[in-house]
Amino acid sequence: QVQLVESGGGVVQPGRSLRLSCAASGFTFSSYGMHWVRQAPGKGLEWVAVIWYDGSNKYYADSVKGRFTISRDNSKNTLYLQMNSLRAEDTAVYYCARAGWTGTSAPGNWFDPWGQGTLVTVSS
Amino acid sequence: QSALTQPASVSGSPGQSITISCTGTSSDVGSYNLVSWYQQHPGKAPKLMIYEGSKRPSGVSNRFSGSKSGNTASLTISGLQAEDEADYYCCSYAGSSTPPYVFGTGTKVTVL
Repeated sequence: QVQLVESGGGVVQPGRSLRLSCAASGFTFSSYGMHWVRQAPGKGLEWVAVIWYDGSNKYYADSVKGRFTISRDNSKNTLYLQMNSLRAEDTAVYYCARAGWTGTSAPGNWFDPWGQGTLVTVSS
Repeated sequence: QSALTQPASVSGSPGQSITISCTGTSSDVGSYNLVSWYQQHPGKAPKLMIYEGSKRPSGVSNRFSGSKSGNTASLTISGLQAEDEADYYCCSYAGSSTPPYVFGTGTKVTVL
């Protein structure tokens, strides 16, 4: 079955870096756009970034632009989120999610399925 | 781009119908029929319930339906069941805006 498994979360000091991974299985990873979405403790969902199926296009939320980089390795069926210059407000559960399938090069504008999430805590 | 506005909480008795609103602007909800809805139980990942405004994924109960009028999208849950108690989030595509996706503030559904 389709499965997404995030890893790489943990406790990190402000200003430091962390890289999250999302291992995909059960579908043709190289055919789908992928997203990162985060949720601060007790708060709502916040979209973070999207990458096209082939890595050709990437978009970011203003709150992370210039600090976070989304990437993928289709040979390893893995999505990444490189997070630099981390701030306390980046503390959240980070979910990877598959973009909807549209049959075109652009990802569908919905998220299904989602991984179980990985917690990132930025604290000194 | 501000978050879409949802009521903080909605409640209903088993068997009743409830509707959750999701209000955006002419730049997001009003411009595209690309609102999706997600159900999230405590400690769990979100689950897609509705996409492209009113389409239901395979496996989602037909008690869930979506609609839109102007800048407001809505999720209706009919025949409310105890298992429907959860948080619900809407999300809209916003085109070339930054960010291209905006979530709603979230609604806690309580089954009385």
